[in-house]
Amino acid sequence: AQKVTQAQTEISVVEKEDVTLDCVYETRDTTYYLFWYKQPPSGELVFLIRRNSFDEQNEISGRYSWNFQKSTSSFNFTITASQVVDSAVYFCALNTGGFKTIFGAGTRLFVKA
Amino acid sequence: EAGVTQFPSHSVIEKGQTVTLRCDPISGHDNLYWYRRVMGKEIKFLLHFVKESKQDESGMPNNRFLAERTGGTYSTLKVQPAELEDSGVYFCASSQSLGETQYFGPGTRLLVL
Repeated sequence: AQKVTQAQTEISVVEKEDVTLDCVYETRDTTYYLFWYKQPPSGELVFLIRRNSFDEQNEISGRYSWNFQKSTSSFNFTITASQVVDSAVYFCALNTGGFKTIFGAGTRLFVKA
Repeated sequence: EAGVTQFPSHSVIEKGQTVTLRCDPISGHDNLYWYRRVMGKEIKFLLHFVKESKQDESGMPNNRFLAERTGGTYSTLKVQPAELEDSGVYFCASSQSLGETQYFGPGTRLLVL
């Protein structure tokens, strides 16, 4: 079975704090893709990153960084020096090369000024 | 390049009425997907088209939902008759090929009263 678990339902931080959003996935496939999407208050789903199962290199993009660890089946997302504009729901997702993307329940991040 | 577009952005209807949602994928994307997020729950896959052909509609809740993609361009999702539990956000996504990043539209917020 394929599953994505985002154990944190809501996180609240003060601006400039660092915050890590956890994502744990389950799949028996050896080839798969992991994603993070951001859903701001306006409602659209914004693609942030795609990582394939053969590439465990961590990635940094500005204030965003992702830590992919196959040993623990985790793909965590860290925002450094958070800003109010980072307030959104963040979804972790899994695709095993097919048509269906499996989403986690989402983590709602509140960044207070 | 234009992203995935969806129409309408919001729809409020009464139980028993019919609603038709439209999705225009990114130009050149043969793969089109419908997903739904019911209040507070995961984003769940509904169905997938390759061009005009339905590949999998295992996620469709029941036969009150009908999706079409005539001509392999835009797609419609009709709910007839709508029930209260159909309320939620309906997302459309498209990708160039399977396993590639699915780019999402802004969603249609459906409220059935």
